Amino acid sequence: AQSVSQHNHHVILSEAASLELGCNYSYGGTVNLFWYVQYPGQHLQLLLKYFSGDPLVKGIKGFEAEFIKSKFSFNLRKPSVQWSDTAEYFCAVNAKSYNTDKLIFGTGTRLQVFP
Amino acid sequence: GAGVSQSPSNKVTEKGKDVELRCDPISGHTALYWYRQRLGQGLEFLIYFQGNSAPDKSGLPSDRFSAERTGESVSTLTIQRTQQEDSAVYLCASSPRLAGGNEQFFGPGTRLTVL
Repeated sequence: AQSVSQHNHHVILSEAASLELGCNYSYGGTVNLFWYVQYPGQHLQLLLKYFSGDPLVKGIKGFEAEFIKSKFSFNLRKPSVQWSDTAEYFCAVNAKSYNTDKLIFGTGTRLQVFP
Repeated sequence: GAGVSQSPSNKVTEKGKDVELRCDPISGHTALYWYRQRLGQGLEFLIYFQGNSAPDKSGLPSDRFSAERTGESVSTLTIQRTQQEDSAVYLCASSPRLAGGNEQFFGPGTRLTVL
């Protein structure tokens, strides 16, 4: 069965610290991978996505993620976090087949950044 | 509208009552999805509509849950005889049909509380 694992449930950092959030997936087919972010009081929005090509993808607000096929991973990184990055982060894989196109989400990582 | 809209934003109901949640997708988006987010958990897929194709209902947790979509527009998610475990945020998303991969755009959600 398809699944997504996010190993860090709650991460606390100081501003300017580096960030890496882990994401591993289990899916046998061709994958599209996503990171979504939910800022406090706001709805889910796309941070970045991988469909094909360069496995290092860059998203909004200085975030990037690397797709490593051999490790079934799609970790999210940012070299220097800001207080405004405080949010919940969700990794997702697009499970596509002849009759569906759903996203399988991880349980999320809550990031708190302190000034 | 510019984004996916959902109504109501909050719904409090008594156990055993029926509720109906509404989603207005982005105009022109052929695909529509419903997800559920329970407290402290990731998003759980419920149902997927794509044009006039048969929907993927594999995520509906019980026969108390049903959803309809009229063409490529509004969708309603109905929960009959609500139970306390139905309390969650119900999220709707839509996406265009693009070759190569589809990003899903999420609405603000409906927070359902079953007393």
